[in-house]
Amino acid sequence: ETVLTQSPDTLSLSPGQRATLSCKASQSVASNYVGWYQQKPGQAPRLLIYGPSTRATGIPDRFSGSASGTDFTLTISRLEPEDFGIYYCQVYGGSPLFTFGPGTTVDVK
Amino acid sequence: QVQLVESGGGLVKPGGSLRLSCAASGFILSEYYMAWIRQAPGKGLEWVSYISSDSSYTKYADSVKGRFTISRDNANNSLYLQMSSLRGEDTAKYYCARYLFGFFDHWGQGELVTVSS
Repeated sequence: ETVLTQSPDTLSLSPGQRATLSCKASQSVASNYVGWYQQKPGQAPRLLIYGPSTRATGIPDRFSGSASGTDFTLTISRLEPEDFGIYYCQVYGGSPLFTFGPGTTVDVK
Repeated sequence: QVQLVESGGGLVKPGGSLRLSCAASGFILSEYYMAWIRQAPGKGLEWVSYISSDSSYTKYADSVKGRFTISRDNANNSLYLQMSSLRGEDTAKYYCARYLFGFFDHWGQGELVTVSS
């Protein structure tokens, strides 16, 4: 079974700061099958990054993704007020077919 | 623009059944795999099931296998999730999502299913 671990659980930052979110897979995952979602309170998740560095339609370039082996990273270069929320990583393949991480909350310091 | 609207949720007793629907618009449904993903209150995301564009292939999470059935009607732009033998741990908001190359690029707003006596 593929397990994703996200760190930190919570990231408290101020607007304008850089955010670095980590996701680690328990077993090998093809890097082109790693993605990141943002979820704000009361809203559905939104796809941000996939494959592992392609931005989804309409996603600003302050969001970037990278992968190295079983370690995946989402970086937000300069936090905007609308960027605060919960971020989930997700992988495809293995068992279960789709796995989500537990999430990292980015909140206002 | 792409729109996915779920319906059919509500309160159901343990052991009961419920059918969720998802109305799709703004794209050609028959060209996409589709999926259901759920989120228990205050918890993270859990993939439930997905279905190929022509319904020939379906896949389920172990937690729902044998109890849930995914289906679609491309002519009516609809996706369905038939849920039976419901348990308390099935309580969640259920999202309909469009699948694209291993990811879910559009999501509905979700439909709450509460399983309780």
